Amino acid sequence: QKEVEQNSGPLSVPEGAIASLNCTYSDRVSQSFFWYRQYSGKSPELIMSIYSNGDKEDGRFTAQLNKASQYVSLLIRDSQPSDSATYLCAVLLGNTGKLIFGQGTTLQVKP
Amino acid sequence: DTEVTQTPKHLVMGMTNKKSLKCEQHMGHRAMYWYKQKAKKPPELMFVYSYEKLSINESVPSRFSPECPNSSLLNLHLHALQPEDSALYLCASSQVASGKETQYFGPGTRLLVL
Repeated sequence: QKEVEQNSGPLSVPEGAIASLNCTYSDRVSQSFFWYRQYSGKSPELIMSIYSNGDKEDGRFTAQLNKASQYVSLLIRDSQPSDSATYLCAVLLGNTGKLIFGQGTTLQVKP
Repeated sequence: DTEVTQTPKHLVMGMTNKKSLKCEQHMGHRAMYWYKQKAKKPPELMFVYSYEKLSINESVPSRFSPECPNSSLLNLHLHALQPEDSALYLCASSQVASGKETQYFGPGTRLLVL
């Protein structure tokens, strides 16, 4: 079982729709979870961090964490073509500073 | 400011060359990281430096040699690389290497080994 799993997609949504990206992880002691956005040929850019169960909202982005189910999600409301990118779910393992990434989900927002 | 800088942006080297990648941050972060990213794959951790000391080496071949001269600088020395080492090399930093700190990535160095 991979430590962090994501559906690789592509996930295609029309402009203005809600895009839902999902991630599961295997390490039960992990406390910190991140979503990074990566455009083709660029480096990962932090979108959201979440540490507690529940929802965390920042503009059009909402991260959701359920530690009991070992599940993290990212919702993007009012999706724009500029949101088209690969979204990487990342989990910090214990207190090591070791960040483990999922395979990434490619999002395509069609005008 | 969450800027991490990396030089060079692109590097082409032969298998017998020696080269170095450089990473710099001025955010006062005390943890710095090297990642390797192959095309259409996620970043993979190579090394972690915490307070200028190597704390994690993810069984990286010795042809990659990291160095942390001070708290702002991180180098990756390359020697006798193989074509399969061609990848995007990413540097990141965080306040400390703990279970909560956000890692911020530099723009990367795209390396091609011929």
